[in-house]
Amino acid sequence: KQEVTQIPAALSVPEGENLVLNCSFTDSAIYNLQWFRQDPGKGLTSLLLIQSSQREQTSGRLNASLDKSSGRSTLYIAASQPGDSATYLCAVITNTGFQKLVFGTGTRLLVSP
Amino acid sequence: GAVVSQHPSRVICKSGTSVKIECRSLDFQATTMFWYRQFPKQSLMLMATSNEGSKATYEQGVEKDKFLINHASLTLSTLTVTSAHPEDSSFYICSAHRAATEAFFGQGTRLTVV
Repeated sequence: KQEVTQIPAALSVPEGENLVLNCSFTDSAIYNLQWFRQDPGKGLTSLLLIQSSQREQTSGRLNASLDKSSGRSTLYIAASQPGDSATYLCAVITNTGFQKLVFGTGTRLLVSP
Repeated sequence: GAVVSQHPSRVICKSGTSVKIECRSLDFQATTMFWYRQFPKQSLMLMATSNEGSKATYEQGVEKDKFLINHASLTLSTLTVTSAHPEDSSFYICSAHRAATEAFFGQGTRLTVV
């Protein structure tokens, strides 16, 4: 059974810092991995999608990497801003998962001005 | 990006009544949609997979008679919470996958049963 873990569970940084969020999964047979952010009381916003054949994806200040063989992904946020404060979730679709997303436990990020 | 619209965003209902939540994919067709439930400060828990034109597939422990799912078209799935009770109060979110890959989520529905 696929299990997804995110470290750290919570992170508090001053504005301007570069930071790394970690995601690990137990079954490397994944179809893709997706990073989301969730603001309090809101739905999920898709940030980056990495297909299993890809190693990384970039969007603006965000960069996500994928090492499928070791079961790890990282989300790098450059020059963090208070508006980045949210919960970040990673999720994987396994090859036999019928499109089902298996979510990580999330990282709550707080960026202070 | 693709848009999935969920309605209503908030609903308060009396115990014993039923509530319907709609999930629409606005700019792509979705043969499959998913319904999740989220408790405070926890991750999403998959409730069921909604399949266009056929019965939904429920996850273990989810009562199919309590949470009725209908996926009558390629752009609309509905979740009806029947005979709602206070313990059904939660945040419900739907999702759809564009081209069977990237997942997009609705805004969520905060259900409060009083």
